Amino acid sequence: GAGVSQSPRYKVAKRGQDVALRCDPISGHVSLFWYQQALGQGPEFLTYFQNEAQLDKSGLPSDRFFAERPEGSVSTLKIQRTQQEDSAVYLCASSLRTAETQYFGPGTRLLVL
Amino acid sequence: AQSVTQPDIHITVSEGASLELRCNYSYGATPYLFWYVQSPGQGLQLLLKYFSGDTLVQGIKGFEAEFKRSQSSFNLRKPSVHWSDAAEYFCAVVDLRYSSASKIIFGSGTRLSIRP
Repeated sequence: GAGVSQSPRYKVAKRGQDVALRCDPISGHVSLFWYQQALGQGPEFLTYFQNEAQLDKSGLPSDRFFAERPEGSVSTLKIQRTQQEDSAVYLCASSLRTAETQYFGPGTRLLVL
Repeated sequence: AQSVTQPDIHITVSEGASLELRCNYSYGATPYLFWYVQSPGQGLQLLLKYFSGDTLVQGIKGFEAEFKRSQSSFNLRKPSVHWSDAAEYFCAVVDLRYSSASKIIFGSGTRLSIRP
C-alpha cells in the first residue's frame, strides 16, 4: 500500500512568511508524529497525535509552530512568521498504534531566506 | 535524560569490506532500539529493531545489530558492504516513559561512504 506522503517536497519562504506543510499518513494509522531535522543532525521530535488529539507538543520550538489533525488522518504543520533558523527538513511519521514501528515520509525541505 | 550517541561522524570503507557502526544509549529501563538509514533526498527507512528477546537482531539488506546491555550498546554490522549502502545511518531509542506516546530519540548519525 501507499506509504506516508508529504507535500510540498521543497518550500522556499521569505523571512516572515507563513508556511503550511502537509502530511498524509498511511491509511488506518492512529499515531502521527512530526520531526525536525536540521542539516547534519538527527531528527528531533516536535509533536505527536493519537487520532485527532494532540497528546504531546513538547518539542515545538516556539509558539510560531502549530500542528493540527482535525479528522484524525491528514495533518498540517504550520509555521508562522518564519525565521532563518526554521530552515530544516520536516519529517512526518505514522504508526498503526502507539509504541509500534513508525514509518517516515520523504520530508519537506524548508529554506527560509 | 535519555540520549543516543553515535561517536563516528563519518566512516569510509571499501566495497566488499565489513562494517560496524557504533551506537551507545543512555536509558534507565530496557529500551526499544532502532537503526534507520537515510539516503540523500529520501525519508528514513527502518533497517531493524530490538524490543526484547534474542539480542542479535537481523534486518533488511543484510544488516544485523547486537544489543549489549552491559555496554549500553547497539552496534550495527554488515559482513560485506555494497556501493549502494552509502547513506546516513541513525541509531534511535524510543522513550517509553511517555505512556501515551512513543517519541523517538535519534543519534546525530554516521555518514557512510564506500570506496570503490
